[in-house]
Amino acid sequence: DADVTQTPRNRITKTGKRIMLECSQTKGHDRMYWYRQDPGLGLRLIYYSFDVKDINKGEISDGYSVSRQAQAKFSLSLESAIPNQTALYFCATSDGKVAQHFGDGTRLSIL
Amino acid sequence: GENVEQHPSTLSVQEGDSAVIKCTYSDSASNYFPWYKQELGKRPQLIIDIRSNVGEKKDQRIAVTLNKTAKHFSLHITETQPEDSAVYFCAASHGQNFVFGPGTRLSVLP
Repeated sequence: DADVTQTPRNRITKTGKRIMLECSQTKGHDRMYWYRQDPGLGLRLIYYSFDVKDINKGEISDGYSVSRQAQAKFSLSLESAIPNQTALYFCATSDGKVAQHFGDGTRLSIL
Repeated sequence: GENVEQHPSTLSVQEGDSAVIKCTYSDSASNYFPWYKQELGKRPQLIIDIRSNVGEKKDQRIAVTLNKTAKHFSLHITETQPEDSAVYFCAASHGQNFVFGPGTRLSVLP
């Protein structure tokens, strides 16, 4: 099935560690997004990319970085994780014409 | 930038009753408004969307209405069923990014 795949699905790590969350898609969409979901706060945009050479900051980019390795791959990094980055992270894709399609999410806990 | 508000934050209805969730947006350039349903522990999934050239759209028990002048849009679910229990998110877009509302937790009581 054409889909958006996120790895890992769950991760527990310690403060100060570097973490990479990966996203790959088979939908052929150019646009890819990373969101963070916290209870009661909805989905907040961290970074987005409209093609391989395009990277843009979202609403809450501080403490995060991204890499668009290919049209189908978009990675999110936390260079030095801190406890308030504990959240559920979603990758999404879009062709720019219809709503985004989300991955299953990565539940990240930072101790 | 765009700001999307959503009300209520929680909603409980009896099975078979209707549920209405309302969103307002601030950017008059927004022209696309999707609604997502997120079940516990799962990904948000699109359930219905509407573009700014349409005032209403219906899909079985779900409908969305849009008032461009007032900058608000609403999700209507009729004949609610227990499987409708979930968190619902509205969003607004003008072709670049999507701004999401904070979500409404809908509980359908048997």
